[in-house]
Amino acid sequence: GAVVSQHPSRVICKSGTSVKIECRSLDFQATTMFWYRQFPKQSLMLMATSNEGSKATYEQGVEKDKFLINHASLTLSTLTVTSAHPEDSSFYICSARDLGSTSGANNEQFFGPGTRLTVL
Amino acid sequence: GEDVEQSLFLSVREGDSSVINCTYTDSSSTYLYWYKQEPGAGLQLLTYIFSNMDMKQDQRLTVLLNKKDKHLSLRIADTQTGDSAIYFCAERITGTASKLTFGTGTRLQVTL
Repeated sequence: GAVVSQHPSRVICKSGTSVKIECRSLDFQATTMFWYRQFPKQSLMLMATSNEGSKATYEQGVEKDKFLINHASLTLSTLTVTSAHPEDSSFYICSARDLGSTSGANNEQFFGPGTRLTVL
Repeated sequence: GEDVEQSLFLSVREGDSSVINCTYTDSSSTYLYWYKQEPGAGLQLLTYIFSNMDMKQDQRLTVLLNKKDKHLSLRIADTQTGDSAIYFCAERITGTASKLTFGTGTRLQVTL
């Protein structure tokens, strides 16, 4: 149980185009999903917290108009990188918190496999 | 502030124990976690410890927490080649809606 998928796993796009990344919780409902960014050989940096039915909360320094987040249902959140540039190339990872987890005491986040974005 | 530090690299021989260390600065941490990341993949939760505990053991994994020194460690007994990965510690701060702050990551290399 508690599987999170991401699609696509890898994407290459031209500079100036927009790219949408999907994050799905496959066997549980998630009111909250998190989007992280990871540069090569670096740690994960939280970009934003996505809440179902409301606006996302962005971390300091993350441009909300550039990284559009939509959390339209309890099982799907999308991250759209608008007008992508080479510096946006990175590994994007989402995680989801299980709404009905019996181990809610630790509010465990389940992570997706990541999406590698390369902007040419 | 939130700052979580780890040593970058650790090499051990198969069968030996590995100890990965982590220091954090925020004393408001409620839970501390250890995650494993294999190349090109997402994160797998290995274990976690609540901040009022000193130690937690789970099969080959032992987590030690020194809250006074804000030091967390993960010991892997009988390290195997399949344990080769990057290990991240992470802390969750009270009242931050489950937001996690990750450490810098330690690359564990297991040699034969």
